[in-house]
Amino acid sequence: QVQLQESGPGLVKPSGTLSLSCAVSGGSISSSNWWSWVRQPPGKGLEWIGEIYHSGNTNYSPSLMSRATISLDKSKNQFSLQLSSVTAADTAVYFCARDSRVTLFYGMDVWGQGITVTVSS
Amino acid sequence: EIVLTQSPGTLSVSPGERATLSCRASLSVISTYLAWYQQKPGQAPRLLIYGASSRATGIPDRFSGSGSGTDFTLTISRLEPEDFAVYYCQQYNNSPWTFGQGTKVEIK
Repeated sequence: QVQLQESGPGLVKPSGTLSLSCAVSGGSISSSNWWSWVRQPPGKGLEWIGEIYHSGNTNYSPSLMSRATISLDKSKNQFSLQLSSVTAADTAVYFCARDSRVTLFYGMDVWGQGITVTVSS
Repeated sequence: EIVLTQSPGTLSVSPGERATLSCRASLSVISTYLAWYQQKPGQAPRLLIYGASSRATGIPDRFSGSGSGTDFTLTISRLEPEDFAVYYCQQYNNSPWTFGQGTKVEIK
């Protein structure tokens, strides 16, 4: 059973870079899945940030594309998110998720527990 | 970008009653590319429905999805105490993938 676990600093200074990792256990990050990052500001809804395929192909939300980078580390079986030039508006719970897309099945079917990141000096 | 508008924002329902949640898309969405999630406080979302009407693994049959084009519905036939949560629809028709703003189902 695949499990995901986010890790990283819970506090980032304004104008700094947010760096998070998502460790994949119980399965391989090289399997035919997309791996996504989703965030949720306090008291608000879900926002898709971007995704990476096992081949390394990436897609990003246009609103974050200029600041977000998602990468894979196959040796550690994990993927990562970097978000640069952060402001208070980037304060949120950040989730990683397995995004399964096979014939007739499209959905984020495995999620990490989420990590709270606060942007503050 | 496809905007998903969920209604109502909050639904007050008694346990045992039926809940009907709506998700309307700004552009037509192929049914295959429409999913529903449940989120409880302090937890990650959980996939409930994919392909607009197929239940994900382990989801009870009181949850059902329907719809096509721009109008989709999630129905909970008889609300159990554990069903009080926030529900989100999501589309994969056009990137960026987007979520609705959520419907909170609360105890009446």
